[in-house]
Amino acid sequence: EAGVAQSPRYKIIEKRQSVAFWCNPISGHATLYWYQQILGQGPKLLIQFQNNGVVDDSQLPKDRFSAERLKGVDSTLKIQPAKLEDSAVYLCASSSGLAGITGELFFGEGSRLTVL
Amino acid sequence: AQTVTQSQPEMSVQEAETVTLSCTYDTSENNYYLFWYKQPPSRQMILVIRQEAYKQQNATENRFSVNFQKAAKSFSLKISDSQLGDTAMYFCAFVGSQGAQKLVFGQGTRLTINP
Repeated sequence: EAGVAQSPRYKIIEKRQSVAFWCNPISGHATLYWYQQILGQGPKLLIQFQNNGVVDDSQLPKDRFSAERLKGVDSTLKIQPAKLEDSAVYLCASSSGLAGITGELFFGEGSRLTVL
Repeated sequence: AQTVTQSQPEMSVQEAETVTLSCTYDTSENNYYLFWYKQPPSRQMILVIRQEAYKQQNATENRFSVNFQKAAKSFSLKISDSQLGDTAMYFCAFVGSQGAQKLVFGQGTRLTINP
């Protein structure tokens, strides 16, 4: 079974530029998550989708971050314009249902963003 | 809001020793799940073990076991006979059974197993 795929693995940009990350979850997984992991910290949930609807985006900085999951499968996370503090690893995860029911998230390898 | 606290930023033990990682959490819910995730260097995060709050018996997975104290809101991970491959960041995580069921992580503990 293929795992969660993310690209690109690494990205270096200058502040005020834009960047987009792509995620393809495990086939059949209805729930998709984007987490931000700053070096030395635990992952912080940015946005959670159930199929193609947003379940929670309370910690997404909506003035610069956007995410979509148009067909309920793969997803894109965009940052525009980027700030220095956006330097982090962006983790995508998926689960077959809500985490409180299924009890396990499957993570991708992450996309490491460096903003100069 | 639920919070998860890991008070040990770093730990280091010798191979074959036993090590215990601490985690406390705060919630007003009665039914929830607790997890330990492992994140090896430059590799993806994987689930180590999970505990359902309504189960009194502590979960075990081979060399990994937990000590779940619901009243104290404590959830520690014990690794027995530690191996070099156990070197990783370990994150404690919580998910409630209500609402969006967000998985909330602690700050992590960096565990190093020395040969």
